[in-house]
Amino acid sequence: DGGITQSPKYLFRKEGQNVTLSCEQNLNHDAMYWYRQDPGQGLRLIYYSQIVNDFQKGDIAEGYSVSREKKESFPLTVTSAQKNPTAFYLCASKQGLGYAEAFFGQGTRLTVV
Amino acid sequence: AQRVTQPEKLLSVFKGAPVELKCNYSYSGSPELFWYVQYSRQRLQLLLRHISRESIKGFTADLNKGETSFHLKKPFAQEEDSAMYYCALYNTDKLIFGTGTRLQVFP
Repeated sequence: DGGITQSPKYLFRKEGQNVTLSCEQNLNHDAMYWYRQDPGQGLRLIYYSQIVNDFQKGDIAEGYSVSREKKESFPLTVTSAQKNPTAFYLCASKQGLGYAEAFFGQGTRLTVV
Repeated sequence: AQRVTQPEKLLSVFKGAPVELKCNYSYSGSPELFWYVQYSRQRLQLLLRHISRESIKGFTADLNKGETSFHLKKPFAQEEDSAMYYCALYNTDKLIFGTGTRLQVFP
């Protein structure tokens, strides 16, 4: 079953802890993206990657880190430096062509307790 | 800097009424523009893209480079159109989204 999978669906973190969100795709897509979705603010780009071992900061990268060691995987770490980490996180992948469709995961809801 | 603006957070209409969801963009080059939709408890998914010039579920969107707009239109709204709609712009390697418009279609 092809697609993009995020795990876990819900995640709770204590203040001061780092936490890693998983994103895996078997669509053979080159590009992968992480977004943060907050009410009234739409989808804000955190990090993106066009190719293995390369990634770029998006608009709100502070307090986050990523890696792209494999084409199919693009994990996001929310560090303790992120001031307001409680949010819904979405991962997406697409082919590199501009008009190509982006496919989204189901999302991970992170709550800091 | 590239930016996508959706001025309306909420648009409420009655079934059968025309719908127009506004989208304006700022980008110096030739943009690739999209509309994505998120139905309740479903994944965000592509609705349509400007390059295809297609009509999906009765929706159309025309790119107006002079007004830098890509408004989404449907002549007769249906209850099943109720969802969150996002306008998106792709340039070089970034895919950026607007803040979204929630469409509510009442019976």
